[in-house]
Amino acid sequence: GQQLNQSPQSMFIQEGEDVSMNCTSSSIFNTWLWYKQDPGEGPVLLIALYKAGELTSNGRLTAQFGITRKDSFLNISASIPSDVGIYFCAGRNSGGYQKVTFGTGTKLQVIP
Amino acid sequence: EAGVAQSPRYKIIEKRQSVAFWCNPISGHATLYWYQQILGQGPKLLIQFQNNGVVDDSQLPKDRFSAERLKGVDSTLKIQPAKLEDSAVYLCASSLGVDYSPLHFGNGTRLTVT
Repeated sequence: GQQLNQSPQSMFIQEGEDVSMNCTSSSIFNTWLWYKQDPGEGPVLLIALYKAGELTSNGRLTAQFGITRKDSFLNISASIPSDVGIYFCAGRNSGGYQKVTFGTGTKLQVIP
Repeated sequence: EAGVAQSPRYKIIEKRQSVAFWCNPISGHATLYWYQQILGQGPKLLIQFQNNGVVDDSQLPKDRFSAERLKGVDSTLKIQPAKLEDSAVYLCASSLGVDYSPLHFGNGTRLTVT
């Protein structure tokens, strides 16, 4: 089956620093989605990307849909303590029932 | 708009017992998903409904798991009999079902099998 690998697996950063994480796939996707999950809650959608090469921002978050359609990147600028959580990428197939596959997650910890 | 509702929030059962989870999707969302999330991993799709029909259940352990979505709205996921390895968070999500509409998740049911 399809696999999405995220890196890094976890990271500790100082408050105010910028963060970068990425997601790579063995398959091509038509949509990339980035979610954040806090403990005890379901994933919350951060950014959706629909076109290869697309760069989209949501506040301090910026995500890019890779040109090869097999990867995506998420950047967080000027991190704050509430950025703590697990970030998941998800890729969606084209056509049919458009299955959504999730990555392995990046756990972010912010040191005040 | 109201989000995806799931119940119960927590459930502890012994192995070989049965359990059921309930999900009410966002109003008007045609597509409903059940994901299993084992601790430290990403969500794994168990079953996907389009209205009241199953479109993907390829990763559902059908010897013990079953799901239904009667009338194309609410859904239930059942495990019978449960195994220790079923301990996980069961997440329900829904989407409009039109091209590339994003998934919206509930807060999940945390299942512990002892």
